[in-house]
Amino acid sequence: DIQMTQSPSSLSASEGDRVTLTCRASQSISRHLNWYQQKPGKAPKLLIYGASSLQGGVPSRFSGSGSGTDFSLSINSLQPEDFATYYCQQSYALPHTFGRGTKLQIE
Amino acid sequence: QVQLQESGPGLMKPSQTLSLTCTVSGGSISGGNYYWSWIRQPAGKGLEWIGRIYSSGRTSYNPSLESRVTMSVDTSKNQFSLDMSSVTAADTAVYYCARGVDLSTGGSLFDCWGQGNLVTVSS
Repeated sequence: DIQMTQSPSSLSASEGDRVTLTCRASQSISRHLNWYQQKPGKAPKLLIYGASSLQGGVPSRFSGSGSGTDFSLSINSLQPEDFATYYCQQSYALPHTFGRGTKLQIE
Repeated sequence: QVQLQESGPGLMKPSQTLSLTCTVSGGSISGGNYYWSWIRQPAGKGLEWIGRIYSSGRTSYNPSLESRVTMSVDTSKNQFSLDMSSVTAADTAVYYCARGVDLSTGGSLFDCWGQGNLVTVSS
């Protein structure tokens, strides 16, 4: 299985900050990397697919980059609703695997 | 807009077989470049992909669960299902159904999710 490693596991930031979350794959996955946001008690929500394509309806302050094994999700000008847990997921090979998540908390 | 809704038991005993159904509304389960997945999440932990099924019936399972998992699809009811045998406490989790989309550029994504069904396995 392809292992997905996210860092940091938790991050404290303030409203208005810019933050960058990282995700590393145990082998090259080209650009087959998706990012999801999950809030407590809710299902994950797709933010970014194909490493850098913004899902419809997702604010433009979210952006993704990377290819191969190293990827990042950036959020510009944090809003109160952005404090959540973020997961990366590879769709390069089965089984699809997720990272353990980065919890973004209010500082 | 497509919506997914899981249904199934909340509490089970060890060794029983878990059966969950996902009902798709607002769109057809057939055709397109879609597939239908089950994903689970133990409390406070990450997400684990269980498997997927196409409307044709073609399946793929996570090797870690493959010996205990069976998925099926009923296109007439716009539903797909998960059966997991011999459950233990380690199977306690929220189980999500999700729609997968195969991308023309390769890879895929999960764009629609159910609200989740908490399954607790306890004697």
